[in-house]
This record gives sequence, structure tokens and C-alpha cells, in this order.
Amino acid sequence: DIQMTQSPSTLSASVGDRVTITCRASQSISSWLAWYQQKPGKAPKLLIYKASSLESGVPSRFSGSGSGTEFTLTISSLQPDDFATYYCQQYNSYLWTFGQGTKVEIK
Amino acid sequence: EVQLVESGGGLVKPGGSLRLSCAASGFTFSSYSMNWVRQAPGKGLEWVSSISSSSSYIYYADSVKGRFTISRDNAKNSLYLQMNSLRAEDTAVYYCARVNVVVFYGMDVWGQGTTVTVSS
Repeated sequence: DIQMTQSPSTLSASVGDRVTITCRASQSISSWLAWYQQKPGKAPKLLIYKASSLESGVPSRFSGSGSGTEFTLTISSLQPDDFATYYCQQYNSYLWTFGQGTKVEIK
Repeated sequence: EVQLVESGGGLVKPGGSLRLSCAASGFTFSSYSMNWVRQAPGKGLEWVSSISSSSSYIYYADSVKGRFTISRDNAKNSLYLQMNSLRAEDTAVYYCARVNVVVFYGMDVWGQGTTVTVSS
């Protein structure tokens, strides 16, 4: 099974900061990677698919990059609404695996 | 409005059973594969099971294989998860989610979740 490892687990940042979250796959997944945002008590929300494609309606300050085994989610200028937990997720032949999550906290 | 609404969660004793439902509206349900994803208290997301649009393909996480059964009724726009032999570690919020090939098999629509608690 493909394992997904995110870093860091927790990130403290201020409004306006540039934030980067890394996700590594245990084997190559090409570009079969998505990123989700989850706020407490709410369902996850799809932000990025195909590693770097922005889901409709998602602000352009969010971007994704990478392929193969290493991927990043970048928030160019952190906004108050962005404090949340972020998950990467890989897809391979009808099996999905999530990373353990990265909590973005207010510094 | 595109919407998924889960129901059926509750408190059940270890070894017991529960059936979750997910009602879809606002889109052509029969055209999409669907997933169940769960989240244990204070923990991350875990994919549980997947079913293709016509029920031809069904997959399970190893953690639930042999105990859970996913199914759907396209005439009723509904997705189900039959959970048997429940364990304490099955305690979680269970989400149904739409799988969209347009977004590279990402899950682009989620329900609000239903809570399952397994405890004596």
C-alpha cells in the first residue's frame, strides 16, 4: 500500500505569511494527488487536484506543485480563513490514502 | 444545489451492527462513483470504501474488509454502508463523498458526516 507522509504536523504562522506544506508518497503516484482543507466540525473541502490544478472557487493564493513522490501545497499570503488542517490524498486504482494532516495555527 | 446528507449514525455496542445512508441530490447520482471516508475523534481522515457508478467495482480498506458492505440504489439516489461486527476503533464521523473523474478522482462533494460511537 502507498503511504503518504506530511510535514510538518503543525505549523504556526501569521496572517500574510507564505506557508508551505510538504507531502511525500512511499512510491511514485505521478500526479494523482489532491489537497483538502478541513475546519473543526466540518467536512473536508477539495482545494487542489492533479497535484497542481485549482478546484473551482478556491482562491488563487492556494497552489500545488510536484509529481512522483514529493508534493507541496503553498498558501502565498495566509488569510484568517485559512487557519485549518490540510490533508494530502493520493489515488491509485480505486484506493485512496490520506496524509496524517498539517494543522496551520495562528502564531 | 449539489448535496449529500448522511444519516444512521448512533451509539452501538461492540459486536453490533449499524447501517449508514447517504442521500444525494442536485446531480446525476448514477454517473458517479462514491466513497465513504471516516475520521476518528481527534484523528485524520481514513478512506473506508468505494463503489463505482453501476456497483460493478467495490473496494474496502483492509481495516473494514469482511465487516462492512457498501451498496447503492441509483433509483433512490442513495448510498449505504452496512457495518457489522463493530469495534471500538470504528468510532468515528463517517462522511460520504462524491468521486469525480474530472478532478482526477478527487472527492469534490462531501456530506456533513454522521457520528458512529461503538461503546459498551
